[in-house]
Amino acid sequence: DGGITQSPKYLFRKEGQNVTLSCEQNLNHDAMYWYRQDPGQGLRLIYYSQIVNDFQKGDIAEGYSVSREKKESFPLTVTSAQKNPTAFYLCASNPAGFTDTQYFGPGTRLTVL
Amino acid sequence: LAKTTQPISMDSYEGQEVNITCSHNNIATNDYITWYQQFPSQGPRFIIQGYKTKVTNEVASLFIPADRKSSTLSLPRVSLSDTAVYYCLVGINQAGTALIFGKGTTLSVSS
Repeated sequence: DGGITQSPKYLFRKEGQNVTLSCEQNLNHDAMYWYRQDPGQGLRLIYYSQIVNDFQKGDIAEGYSVSREKKESFPLTVTSAQKNPTAFYLCASNPAGFTDTQYFGPGTRLTVL
Repeated sequence: LAKTTQPISMDSYEGQEVNITCSHNNIATNDYITWYQQFPSQGPRFIIQGYKTKVTNEVASLFIPADRKSSTLSLPRVSLSDTAVYYCLVGINQAGTALIFGKGTTLSVSS
């Protein structure tokens, strides 16, 4: 089955700790994205990557970091510098074009205690 | 940059046709109109995309008038499982990257 997987589905961390969210895709897509969603809100872009070893900041990149060492993987680290990290995090991918249909993973709900 | 406006919420009953209209007055010539569906605690799912006139697939229809300043997503004979948030997206953001998701329309279907 082709698709995007995110793990874990639920994640709890203490305030001040860094945490890494996993995103893997086997769709052979070049582009990958990370979004954040707060209750009752739309999605906001954190980071995106169009190709391996390259990534760009989105609209709300402060307090987050990413890497893209493999085409299939685009992990997101929520650092202690992120002031309000509790949210629903969504990873997406598409073949290449920015206006291509995006395929989303199931999401990770992060709660910082 | 095309901004979209859609109703915050809509209510319907099972078996009815639901039409959700999205306004996008500043749509650019090369912008497509895309609709996504999102269930609680899940990632959005692509429903339909169009550029002009009418597009139909097995899930929905998309009606786009000649001026392209609005579009209407039509869901035929909705069921309880169609209760979800529906997002209308047009164009890309200023960085030239991903599509912009607003707050969407929350559709509630009752029996």
